[in-house]
Amino acid sequence: DADVTQTPRNRITKTGKRIMLECSQTKGHDRMYWYRQDPGLGLRLIYYSFDVKDINKGEISDGYSVSRQAQAKFSLSLESAIPNQTALYFCATSETPLRGYNEQFFGPGTRLTVL
Amino acid sequence: AQKVTQAQTEISVVEKEDVTLDCVYETRDTTYYLFWYKQPPSGELVFLIRRNSFDEQNEISGRYSWNFQKSTSSFNFTITASQVVDSAVYFCALKGSNYKLTFGKGTLLTVNP
Repeated sequence: DADVTQTPRNRITKTGKRIMLECSQTKGHDRMYWYRQDPGLGLRLIYYSFDVKDINKGEISDGYSVSRQAQAKFSLSLESAIPNQTALYFCATSETPLRGYNEQFFGPGTRLTVL
Repeated sequence: AQKVTQAQTEISVVEKEDVTLDCVYETRDTTYYLFWYKQPPSGELVFLIRRNSFDEQNEISGRYSWNFQKSTSSFNFTITASQVVDSAVYFCALKGSNYKLTFGKGTLLTVNP
């Protein structure tokens, strides 16, 4: 079984709808992240959380919200979806380092299309 | 500010050729971390390597090797004897002192049989 799972894997929705993307992990990592990937732009950070009570905005948080329900679960919501939120969304996790920094491990991605 | 530049948008090679993917980074931090990720056509992101700024030793893992040069702010990735399964988008990324992992825009590698 995959260590980081995302549901749904694909979603088509209409402008104005509320959408929730879910991420679960079995790696036991404290840190979780949401990114979006757009063609030619690489990955950009939306939100991140270093533990259950910690939520932080990334570089493109407008139009999004998150919920860290438990150590293993981190959900991303689009309150009112718009077409330019059409993208590939990734959840990632990393271990809290004793020192230095640890790599992030990514889920399989959710392809979201907003019509 | 952090920046990662992957100047090669697309590379196409024939199987068994060697190929090098370039990565140039900018940061003012003295301690930082560099990464390479692979994104095959199936879409997932696969971690390949992490490098710390204080460790310039090059690394080899099978057909993969990485050349870290602080003097030129580069962290290049070479695939020796490329195979069709190496076809993917490859991302270089940088993590400095702040929270952010900065990704390059990726290089699409196509290995033709």
